[in-house]
This record gives sequence, structure tokens and C-alpha cells, in this order.
Amino acid sequence: ILNVEQSPQSLHVQEGDSTNFTCSFPSSNFYALHWYRWETAKSPEALFVMTLNGDEKKKGRISATLNTKEGYSYLYIKGSQPEDSATYLCAFNTAISNYKLTFGKGTLLTVNP
Amino acid sequence: NAGVMQNPRHLVRRRGQEARLRCSPMKGHSHVYWYRQLPEEGLKFMVYLQKENIIDESGMPKERFSAEFPKEGPSILRIQQVVRGDSAAYFCASSPLVDNEQFFGPGTRLTVL
Repeated sequence: ILNVEQSPQSLHVQEGDSTNFTCSFPSSNFYALHWYRWETAKSPEALFVMTLNGDEKKKGRISATLNTKEGYSYLYIKGSQPEDSATYLCAFNTAISNYKLTFGKGTLLTVNP
Repeated sequence: NAGVMQNPRHLVRRRGQEARLRCSPMKGHSHVYWYRQLPEEGLKFMVYLQKENIIDESGMPKERFSAEFPKEGPSILRIQQVVRGDSAAYFCASSPLVDNEQFFGPGTRLTVL
């Protein structure tokens, strides 16, 4: 059984705070790690796809790192804004089934103005 | 380029009825994936289809569930004789190639009374 664990489950921060979440995944047969941003009643929106150990990606105030050897990824948000409030999903796929995403339950971020 | 479309967005059925969920992939995408989110769970892979072919249905319940992606028209997820345990959010995703980023639709929330 392949499990993805995300922590924390939920998080409340004040506008302007920086924050980060963790995604843990099995390191064997790794193919890619995906981060999605999901607002209620909307489609999950892809943030990053990461494949290489040590990879770091950035999009505006959001960045992510990847460690495939120990099986974890961090998502960072710098200077959180109320519009960052969403659920952040992590998913990975293996080389054996590279089309099949295995998701964590997500981290629900609420940014208070 | 319109995103992945799913309809209906909400579907209510009584036990024993049939549910049909539709997914129109993004233009140019020939790979479709269905995922299910049960209450308090993460998104779980159900089935992967290419035009007119089911590639992997390992995540689909063996009975009552079927999926198709015809040459023309949307992909259909069909649930026969629904039971209360089928109540969930069903998401469709598409990609241009099998190992590409998957683009998600907004989901169909099925409620079985």
C-alpha cells in the first residue's frame, strides 16, 4: 500500500506570515511529486511537478523542495495573503504506474486578514 | 482553451437508481482519469482511459461501476444501482500524454438518498 501523508491537517495563519507544509511519500520506484492548490467548489490547480532529488521550484510567493531519497517534499508560502486560503494537495506517482496519482488528504490553509 | 468540464456538478439519486457522470477533457487531451473522494479521505484513483480503451481500471469497484471514453463525446462514469456508500465527489482529469501533468475538472458531487 502506497501512502502519502501530509501535515499539518489544517493551519491558520495571519496575513503576512510565512508558512510551510510537509508531504511524505514512499521513496521506492519514485517517478514524480505533484502539488495542487484546491479552492472549494473549483478544480484542483497544479502548482508544481517535481521529478529530481534536490529539485526546488518557485511560482511567485510559493516554492517547493523535493527529497526523493528520504521521501518528503516541503511547500513554502512567503508572506501569506487571504487569497492563499485553500487546500494544498500533494500527490506522487511511481515509475510502475506513472499515470496513477496517489494523493494525500491535503493541508487546509486559512489566512486571516 | 477551456478546462476540463464535468457535469452535472451535483447529482442526487435514490438507492437503486443509476448515476451517469460526464467528463469532457481539455482540447487535444486523449488521456482521461477518474478519481473518487470519499468523505474524510484523499482522492483515490479509479480508472485510466484513452480513446475507446480502458487502460487500467484497478481502482474501480468490481461491480456496478463502469467507464467509457468513446471516439466521439465525453468520458462517462456509470454507477448502476447506487448505494449510500457511493456518495462522494468524483473528479475527472485529462492529459495530452500519459506521463504529463493532469488537469482536473471541478468534480461531480453525488449524493445517494
